Amino acid sequence: GQNIDQPTEMTATEGAIVQINCTYQTSGFNGLFWYQQHAGEAPTFLSYNVLDGLEEKGRFSSFLSRSKGYSYLLLKELQMKDSASYLCAVLDSNYQLIWGAGTKLIIKP
Amino acid sequence: ETGVTQTPRHLVMGMTNKKSLKCEQHLGHNAMYWYKQSAKKPLELMFVYNFKEQTENNSVPSRFSPECPNSSHLFLHLHTLQPEDSALYLCASSQDPGRPTDTQYFGPGTRLTVL
Repeated sequence: GQNIDQPTEMTATEGAIVQINCTYQTSGFNGLFWYQQHAGEAPTFLSYNVLDGLEEKGRFSSFLSRSKGYSYLLLKELQMKDSASYLCAVLDSNYQLIWGAGTKLIIKP
Repeated sequence: ETGVTQTPRHLVMGMTNKKSLKCEQHLGHNAMYWYKQSAKKPLELMFVYNFKEQTENNSVPSRFSPECPNSSHLFLHLHTLQPEDSALYLCASSQDPGRPTDTQYFGPGTRLTVL
């Protein structure tokens, strides 16, 4: 079966760095997405990786290793507004998104 | 910012009621999606419409009935639901589901409670 694993919850301190991991086992691979979802709001697109390596976008970076079936989202200089759930999703060989259950990130002052 | 709107935002209904959820996208996209989001579970894809044609129906019970009258509007008709159907129902749209870089844009969801 297809499976996406990510930690259920993480806690970090304002101003610090946090890494949210995602491992996947899917039927084929056409890219990996990260979304941010604040409580009671719509998921919003953060990043897309299809090649191995690190993609940087401001305070957020996303890394992919296809051989290891592994990705992480790195958040730097954490702000209170970064408190949210972070969803990992893989596009499989049928171009269907397979979603993880999300990681709830709690930022403490 | 979101170009996808959903109404109502909250809905409480009894098991014998009939109600409808509405989604509208203002992004000029060709595809629209219904997802179910339950606490601590992955998003569950329910239905996909591409150019108004239903292309996916992931074994969803018949008490959920989708309708897509045009590329900008999507409805989910609900009848005789069960308490376990209580969840957040998310609508999304995208330009081209056949393209790897296709990004889905989500609405804020309808929080449904079935009593």
